[in-house]
Amino acid sequence: GAVVSQHPSRVICKSGTSVKIECRSLDFQATTMFWYRQFPKQSLMLMATSNEGSKATYEQGVEKDKFLINHASLTLSTLTVTSAHPEDSSFYICSFRGGGNIQYFGAGTRLSVL
Amino acid sequence: DQQVKQNSPSLSVQEGRISILNCDYTNSMFDYFLWYKKYPAEGPTFLISISSIKDKNEDGRFTVFLNKSAKHLSLHIVPSQPGDSAVYFCAASWDGTASKLTFGTGTRLQVTL
Repeated sequence: GAVVSQHPSRVICKSGTSVKIECRSLDFQATTMFWYRQFPKQSLMLMATSNEGSKATYEQGVEKDKFLINHASLTLSTLTVTSAHPEDSSFYICSFRGGGNIQYFGAGTRLSVL
Repeated sequence: DQQVKQNSPSLSVQEGRISILNCDYTNSMFDYFLWYKKYPAEGPTFLISISSIKDKNEDGRFTVFLNKSAKHLSLHIVPSQPGDSAVYFCAASWDGTASKLTFGTGTRLQVTL
């Protein structure tokens, strides 16, 4: 299967700071990538769909000005959590849709905001 | 509103026996379903999928069954192996593709010796 690299795997930051998470597809050029969030004991929830070269599409209830997504190339998408607050502490995971009608996932980033 | 539900948070099965993981959904618009397996500190990896035009799909030891009238799907693993111990997620989409997936909360499978 395709390889997706996500960094960092864990980040701890102070409230009010911004955090950038990178997601790279290592062996596949991805037109469309996805960002999910998972709170404890809940399922993965789609936050936004990232399209290369165009603006991301956000799901209802997700603040686009807080969660900035950049998909500038076919192999890289970034999610920036701006002015992070403790309630943004969560597990963030990226994926891209590859061949065979499958989404391939990164290993995720655990964000803790103090 | 949890549209995809995995009501069993955990399951323990003896090696060599069949593991059956269940998933229920409420949205009748879902037409494509996937199962993912996740090991600790890794991302979910694709296992098997099924389109709503089918009721069964098989790949080696893994078989997925879909009952549209009951809005229920299940993953059968036969025979179960210790390496199958992981968290299993079912996911669904409504456009026939692996886009905008809605996930269940997962079932932790433990295969014992």
